[in-house]
Order: sequence, then C-alpha cells, then structure tokens
Amino acid sequence: AQKVTQAQTEISVVEKEDVTLDCVYETRDTTYYLFWYKQPPSGELVFLIRRNSFDEQNEISGRYSWNFQKSTSSFNFTITASQVVDSAVYFCALSEDRRGGADGLTFGKGTHLIIQP
Amino acid sequence: DTAVSQTPKYLVTQMGNDKSIKCEQNLGHDTMYWYKQDSKKFLKIMFSYNNKELIINETVPNRFSPKSPDKAHLNLHINSLELGDSAVYFCASSQRRTGALNTEAFFGQGTRLTVV
Repeated sequence: AQKVTQAQTEISVVEKEDVTLDCVYETRDTTYYLFWYKQPPSGELVFLIRRNSFDEQNEISGRYSWNFQKSTSSFNFTITASQVVDSAVYFCALSEDRRGGADGLTFGKGTHLIIQP
Repeated sequence: DTAVSQTPKYLVTQMGNDKSIKCEQNLGHDTMYWYKQDSKKFLKIMFSYNNKELIINETVPNRFSPKSPDKAHLNLHINSLELGDSAVYFCASSQRRTGALNTEAFFGQGTRLTVV
C-alpha cells in the first residue's frame, strides 16, 4: 500500500529565510504521481505542483522549487526568501496509476509552516 | 466561475440527524471524490466515483453514502450522525487517464460539519 511521510510537523522561520519541506513516499507501482498542496488559514486546498514518476526533472516556479529523487523516494519542496503569506499547512500526496488514478490521493500528515515577520 | 463548489460551507447539527452535502464541478472531469479532514488536519479519501460507478470505498461506515445523479455532481449523505463525524469534508474532481498523465485533483472549499 502507498504511504506518504512528512516528518516535519511544524516549521517556524523568520521572513526571507529559505525553508525546505520534506516528503518521503512509498509505493509498489512503477508509475505514480506526486503532488503538493497548500492549505492556508482560510481552509481551501490549493494545488501547487504535480510530478510524474518518469520525470525526475526538478522544477522551479518563482520562489518555489521542488526536488524529486526516485533513488531516495523523496519529493522535497523549497521556498526561497519566504514571506508571511507562505504561512500555511503544506501537504504532499501520492496517486498511483492503477485504475487511472481513480483511487484518489494518499496524503501525508502535513507540515505547518509559520513565517514570522 | 468556481471549478468545484460544495454546499453548505458550514453545517451544525444534532446527533442522530441525517444530513447531505452537495458537490458540483464544472471542469468536465469524469471522476469525483470525497475526502475527510479530521481535527488533526489529516486528509483521507472516503469515496471515488467514476462515470457513476463507485471505484473505491475505504473503511467508511455505511451511514455515509455517496450519490451521483450525473458526472458533474457527487453528493454525500450521512445518516444517524455521531459526534465523531465532526470534521471538514472536501469534494474533489479529476480526469482519469490511463497510460497518460494524470490530472491534479481540484478541491472544493470544504464543508465544516459539527455534530453536537
């Protein structure tokens, strides 16, 4: 069965610091998809990124970057020059390819990121 | 236009009551889901519907029943509500693909259910 581990329950940094959120996953499928979602204090779930198991290219989007390493089953998320608006709970999630992903997402327990001014 | 919308946003009800939460998506997706987020923020899938067919059903009490009148709607009915049912319930949708890229799941804004 699939599993996602976010070992960091809470991280607190001062604004403008860089911060990395860790995500380690387990799956028996060779084809799978990894996601990051943001849940701000308002409560909605905001999609950030999707990565396929056959694409290990790292991705950068503005201050956000993601490092996918199949060798260590990790999909880490880095925020550069953090801002107070980045304060939220961040979830890493996994979707296996069998049945076309209709099994839904398996989420990690989330990392609560606090950016202090 | 909201991609995935759920109503109501807040629901307070007494133990033993029966209630429903509605969900609609206008993305043309063929798969819809219900997730439960508990008080510790842990998100877990409850149901998945694809083309009106129930795909998965996790260890969810049979007091919970999903109902899909068409592929744009997936409602959640809960009978005989219990205190432990208090949580935030999220509806989501995605496009199921085989042998190709899977799409991300788009989530509704959530329904905070409080059972008193």
